[in-house]
Amino acid sequence: EDQVTQSPEALRLQEGESSSLNCSYTVSGLRGLFWYRQDPGKGPEFLFTLYSAGEEKEKERLKATLTKKESFLHITAPKPEDSATYLCAVQPGGTSYGKLTFGQGTILTVHP
Amino acid sequence: ETGVTQTPRHLVMGMTNKKSLKCEQHLGHNAMYWYKQSAKKPLELMFVYNFKEQTENNSVPSRFSPECPNSSHLFLHLHTLQPEDSALYLCASSQLTGTPGELFFGEGSRLTVL
Repeated sequence: EDQVTQSPEALRLQEGESSSLNCSYTVSGLRGLFWYRQDPGKGPEFLFTLYSAGEEKEKERLKATLTKKESFLHITAPKPEDSATYLCAVQPGGTSYGKLTFGQGTILTVHP
Repeated sequence: ETGVTQTPRHLVMGMTNKKSLKCEQHLGHNAMYWYKQSAKKPLELMFVYNFKEQTENNSVPSRFSPECPNSSHLFLHLHTLQPEDSALYLCASSQLTGTPGELFFGEGSRLTVL
Protein backbone atom coordinates (compact mmCIF):
# COMPACT_ATOMS: atom_id res chain seq x y z
CA GLU A 1 0.00 0.00 0.00
CA ASP A 2 1.27 3.45 -0.92
CA GLN A 3 2.09 5.55 2.11
CA VAL A 4 3.39 9.03 2.88
CA THR A 5 4.59 10.05 6.34
CA GLN A 6 5.57 13.61 7.19
CA SER A 7 7.60 14.78 10.18
CA PRO A 8 7.52 16.64 12.38
CA GLU A 9 3.76 17.15 12.78
CA ALA A 10 4.43 20.73 13.88
CA LEU A 11 7.49 22.96 13.79
CA ARG A 12 7.97 26.33 15.45
CA LEU A 13 10.84 28.51 14.25
CA GLN A 14 12.13 31.96 14.92
CA GLU A 15 12.37 34.26 11.95
CA GLY A 16 15.67 33.55 10.20
CA GLU A 17 16.09 30.10 11.78
CA SER A 18 16.57 27.63 8.92
CA SER A 19 15.23 24.08 9.14
CA SER A 20 13.92 21.11 7.14
CA LEU A 21 10.68 19.20 6.83
CA ASN A 22 10.74 15.48 6.06
CA CYS A 23 8.51 13.37 3.83
CA SER A 24 9.08 9.60 3.83
CA TYR A 25 7.26 7.52 1.26
CA THR A 26 6.67 3.99 0.11
CA VAL A 27 5.12 3.69 -3.31
CA SER A 28 4.97 1.22 -6.16
CA GLY A 29 6.84 2.98 -8.93
CA LEU A 30 7.08 6.68 -8.20
CA ARG A 31 5.65 8.83 -10.96
CA GLY A 32 6.27 12.04 -9.05
CA LEU A 33 6.53 13.57 -5.58
CA PHE A 34 4.81 16.90 -4.94
CA TRP A 35 4.91 19.60 -2.31
CA TYR A 36 1.96 21.86 -1.54
CA ARG A 37 1.41 24.72 0.87
CA GLN A 38 -1.96 25.19 2.61
CA ASP A 39 -2.93 28.35 4.47
CA PRO A 40 -5.76 28.24 7.06
CA GLY A 41 -9.17 28.32 5.38
CA LYS A 42 -7.67 27.86 1.92
CA GLY A 43 -7.08 25.00 -0.48
CA PRO A 44 -3.57 23.65 -1.04
CA GLU A 45 -1.29 25.58 -3.38
CA PHE A 46 1.18 23.71 -5.58
CA LEU A 47 4.87 24.31 -4.93
CA PHE A 48 7.08 21.66 -6.59
CA THR A 49 7.19 18.43 -8.56
CA LEU A 50 10.18 16.09 -8.19
CA TYR A 51 10.54 13.10 -10.48
CA SER A 52 13.70 11.21 -9.59
CA ALA A 53 16.29 10.75 -6.86
CA GLY A 54 18.86 13.52 -6.79
CA GLU A 55 16.55 16.13 -8.22
CA GLU A 56 16.25 19.52 -6.53
CA LYS A 57 13.85 22.44 -7.02
CA GLU A 58 13.99 25.93 -5.50
CA LYS A 59 11.54 28.74 -5.02
CA GLU A 60 12.45 31.78 -2.96
CA ARG A 61 13.36 30.48 0.54
CA LEU A 62 12.23 26.91 -0.21
CA LYS A 63 14.28 24.09 -1.65
CA ALA A 64 12.93 20.58 -2.21
CA THR A 65 15.14 17.52 -2.60
CA LEU A 66 14.40 13.88 -3.35
CA THR A 67 16.00 10.54 -2.55
CA LYS A 68 14.68 7.04 -3.22
CA LYS A 69 12.85 6.94 0.12
CA GLU A 70 12.26 10.51 1.23
CA SER A 71 12.05 14.15 0.33
CA PHE A 72 13.10 17.19 2.27
CA LEU A 73 11.73 20.69 2.14
CA HIS A 74 14.47 23.02 3.31
CA ILE A 75 13.44 26.47 4.50
CA THR A 76 16.23 29.02 4.58
CA ALA A 77 15.88 32.13 6.77
CA PRO A 78 12.11 31.79 7.07
CA LYS A 79 9.78 34.73 7.52
CA PRO A 80 6.43 34.85 9.35
CA GLU A 81 4.62 34.73 5.99
CA ASP A 82 6.07 31.24 5.46
CA SER A 83 3.81 29.99 8.25
CA ALA A 84 1.45 27.39 6.77
CA THR A 85 0.83 23.66 6.57
CA TYR A 86 3.17 21.98 4.09
CA LEU A 87 1.81 18.87 2.40
CA CYS A 88 3.74 16.16 0.61
CA ALA A 89 2.10 13.85 -1.92
CA VAL A 90 3.11 11.07 -4.29
CA GLN A 91 1.65 9.70 -7.47
CA PRO A 92 2.27 5.98 -7.93
CA GLY A 93 3.26 4.71 -11.33
CA GLY A 94 0.45 3.56 -13.59
CA THR A 95 -2.23 5.60 -11.82
CA SER A 96 -4.61 8.23 -13.13
CA TYR A 97 -3.30 11.75 -13.52
CA GLY A 98 -4.03 13.65 -10.31
CA LYS A 99 -4.51 10.51 -8.18
CA LEU A 100 -2.28 11.68 -5.36
CA THR A 101 -1.59 10.10 -1.98
CA PHE A 102 -1.01 12.82 0.60
CA GLY A 103 0.78 12.89 3.94
CA GLN A 104 -0.79 14.49 7.00
CA GLY A 105 1.27 17.63 6.64
CA THR A 106 3.66 19.65 8.79
CA ILE A 107 2.29 22.77 10.46
CA LEU A 108 5.02 25.41 10.30
CA THR A 109 4.86 28.50 12.51
CA VAL A 110 7.50 31.20 12.12
CA HIS A 111 7.65 33.75 14.91
CA PRO A 112 8.98 37.30 14.32
CA GLU B 1 -13.99 35.01 -11.40
CA THR B 2 -10.63 33.32 -11.63
CA GLY B 3 -9.21 29.97 -10.53
CA VAL B 4 -11.41 27.36 -8.90
CA THR B 5 -14.57 28.50 -7.12
CA GLN B 6 -16.54 26.37 -4.67
CA THR B 7 -19.97 27.01 -3.22
CA PRO B 8 -21.21 27.00 -0.58
CA ARG B 9 -18.19 27.66 1.61
CA HIS B 10 -20.01 26.33 4.66
CA LEU B 11 -22.88 23.86 4.89
CA VAL B 12 -24.70 22.34 7.86
CA MET B 13 -27.11 19.51 7.16
CA GLY B 14 -29.03 16.83 8.95
CA MET B 15 -28.59 13.16 8.19
CA THR B 16 -31.83 13.04 6.18
CA ASN B 17 -31.17 16.13 4.06
CA LYS B 18 -30.13 16.27 0.42
CA LYS B 19 -27.71 18.97 -0.62
CA SER B 20 -25.15 19.63 -3.34
CA LEU B 21 -21.69 21.13 -3.49
CA LYS B 22 -20.71 23.06 -6.60
CA CYS B 23 -17.33 23.65 -8.17
CA GLU B 24 -16.46 25.79 -11.19
CA GLN B 25 -13.05 26.23 -12.75
CA HIS B 26 -12.10 29.18 -14.95
CA LEU B 27 -8.70 27.85 -16.01
CA GLY B 28 -9.62 25.94 -19.16
CA HIS B 29 -8.55 22.66 -17.60
CA ASN B 30 -9.83 19.26 -18.73
CA ALA B 31 -9.64 17.28 -15.48
CA MET B 32 -11.50 17.85 -12.22
CA TYR B 33 -11.30 16.17 -8.83
CA TRP B 34 -13.03 15.88 -5.48
CA TYR B 35 -10.82 15.46 -2.42
CA LYS B 36 -11.89 15.08 1.21
CA GLN B 37 -9.91 16.61 4.08
CA SER B 38 -10.90 15.38 7.55
CA ALA B 39 -9.43 16.58 10.82
CA LYS B 40 -6.21 14.76 11.69
CA LYS B 41 -6.30 12.78 8.41
CA PRO B 42 -4.52 13.25 5.09
CA LEU B 43 -6.25 14.61 2.02
CA GLU B 44 -8.09 11.72 0.40
CA LEU B 45 -9.03 11.45 -3.28
CA MET B 46 -12.72 10.72 -3.92
CA PHE B 47 -13.40 11.11 -7.65
CA VAL B 48 -11.57 11.99 -10.86
CA TYR B 49 -13.15 13.29 -14.07
CA ASN B 50 -11.24 13.57 -17.35
CA PHE B 51 -13.06 15.38 -20.18
CA LYS B 52 -16.36 14.98 -18.26
CA GLU B 53 -15.90 11.20 -17.90
CA GLN B 54 -15.41 9.66 -14.47
CA THR B 55 -12.11 7.78 -14.44
CA GLU B 56 -11.69 7.18 -10.73
CA ASN B 57 -14.01 6.35 -7.85
CA ASN B 58 -11.88 5.73 -4.79
CA SER B 59 -14.37 3.36 -3.09
CA VAL B 60 -16.59 6.25 -2.06
CA PRO B 61 -19.95 5.37 -0.44
CA SER B 62 -22.98 5.83 -2.70
CA ARG B 63 -24.34 8.57 -0.45
CA PHE B 64 -21.85 10.77 -2.33
CA SER B 65 -22.85 11.17 -5.97
CA PRO B 66 -20.67 13.23 -8.32
CA GLU B 67 -21.81 14.91 -11.52
CA CYS B 68 -19.71 16.57 -14.20
CA PRO B 69 -21.89 18.17 -16.90
CA ASN B 70 -18.93 19.77 -18.67
CA SER B 71 -15.21 20.32 -18.20
CA SER B 72 -15.76 23.49 -16.17
CA HIS B 73 -18.34 22.34 -13.65
CA LEU B 74 -18.35 19.63 -11.02
CA PHE B 75 -20.98 18.80 -8.44
CA LEU B 76 -21.08 16.54 -5.41
CA HIS B 77 -24.59 15.51 -4.47
CA LEU B 78 -25.02 14.53 -0.84
CA HIS B 79 -27.79 12.45 0.74
CA THR B 80 -28.30 10.47 3.91
CA LEU B 81 -24.89 11.47 5.24
CA GLN B 82 -23.39 10.42 8.55
CA PRO B 83 -21.75 12.67 11.17
CA GLU B 84 -18.36 11.14 10.26
CA ASP B 85 -18.77 12.66 6.80
CA SER B 86 -18.19 16.08 8.32
CA ALA B 87 -15.06 17.43 6.62
CA LEU B 88 -13.65 19.96 4.20
CA TYR B 89 -14.47 18.97 0.64
CA LEU B 90 -11.97 20.30 -1.86
CA CYS B 91 -12.42 20.56 -5.58
CA ALA B 92 -9.39 20.74 -7.86
CA SER B 93 -8.66 20.97 -11.55
CA SER B 94 -5.68 20.36 -13.77
CA GLN B 95 -4.54 20.17 -17.34
CA LEU B 96 -3.96 16.55 -18.31
CA THR B 97 -0.90 17.54 -20.31
CA GLY B 98 0.46 19.91 -17.69
CA THR B 99 2.98 19.41 -14.90
CA PRO B 100 2.14 16.10 -13.18
CA GLY B 101 0.71 16.65 -9.75
CA GLU B 102 0.02 20.34 -10.31
CA LEU B 103 -3.55 20.55 -9.14
CA PHE B 104 -5.34 23.85 -8.64
CA PHE B 105 -7.58 23.68 -5.58
CA GLY B 106 -10.57 25.72 -4.58
CA GLU B 107 -10.98 27.00 -1.04
CA GLY B 108 -13.25 24.12 -0.10
CA SER B 109 -16.73 23.58 1.25
CA ARG B 110 -16.80 22.98 5.02
CA LEU B 111 -19.53 20.40 5.68
CA THR B 112 -21.02 19.66 9.08
CA VAL B 113 -23.46 16.76 9.41
CA LEU B 114 -25.61 16.83 12.53
